[in-house]
Amino acid sequence: EIVLTQSPATLSLSPGERATLSCRASQSVRSYLGWYQQKPGQPPRLLIYDASNRATGIPARFSGSGSGTDFTLTISSLEPEDFAVYYCQQRINWPPITFGQGTRLEIK
Amino acid sequence: EVQLVESGGGLVQPGGSLRLSCAASGSTFSRYSMNWVRQAPGKGLEWISYISSSGSDIYYADSVKGRFTISRDNAENSLYLQMNSLRADDTAVYYCAREVNWGYWYFDLWGRGTLVTVSS
Repeated sequence: EIVLTQSPATLSLSPGERATLSCRASQSVRSYLGWYQQKPGQPPRLLIYDASNRATGIPARFSGSGSGTDFTLTISSLEPEDFAVYYCQQRINWPPITFGQGTRLEIK
Repeated sequence: EVQLVESGGGLVQPGGSLRLSCAASGSTFSRYSMNWVRQAPGKGLEWISYISSSGSDIYYADSVKGRFTISRDNAENSLYLQMNSLRADDTAVYYCAREVNWGYWYFDLWGRGTLVTVSS
């Protein structure tokens, strides 16, 4: 089973700042990593697929990078609606499909 | 707009059973593989089951294998999860999620979830 470890667990930033979230895989997932955003009371929403491609309708301030075992989600300038929990996910080595434990992005 | 709507959640006693449903709007349901993902209160996401578009391939997480059964009815645009021998740690919001192949496989459409509470 591939374990995805996200860091930090919580990130406290202000609107307008840059956010950098990390996801590390226990073994290579090549570039096949997704990022999801989840707001309270809502289902997750796909932001990034294949490590660096924005899903339909996702603003350009969201970007992803990385390959192999180390991945980064960057939000270039935080908007108030970006404060949420973010999860990474892999399906290259499955079952099981695995998610990271999440990074909570909170307003400072 | 395509939507997924889960139903069937509720309060059940330990050892009991429950059947969840996920209704898909639109005529393309049969083209997609589907999954169930759950989220315990205040916790992260846990994938629990997959079914291919035709229903011929099925997988489960170890945590539910032997207790849960996934199925689908493409004529009815519906996905199901039969849950037996329920335990307290099965308490969670259960989401159905559609997979798409964009380079690789990702969950592009989710329902709003249905809450299952296992308690005496």
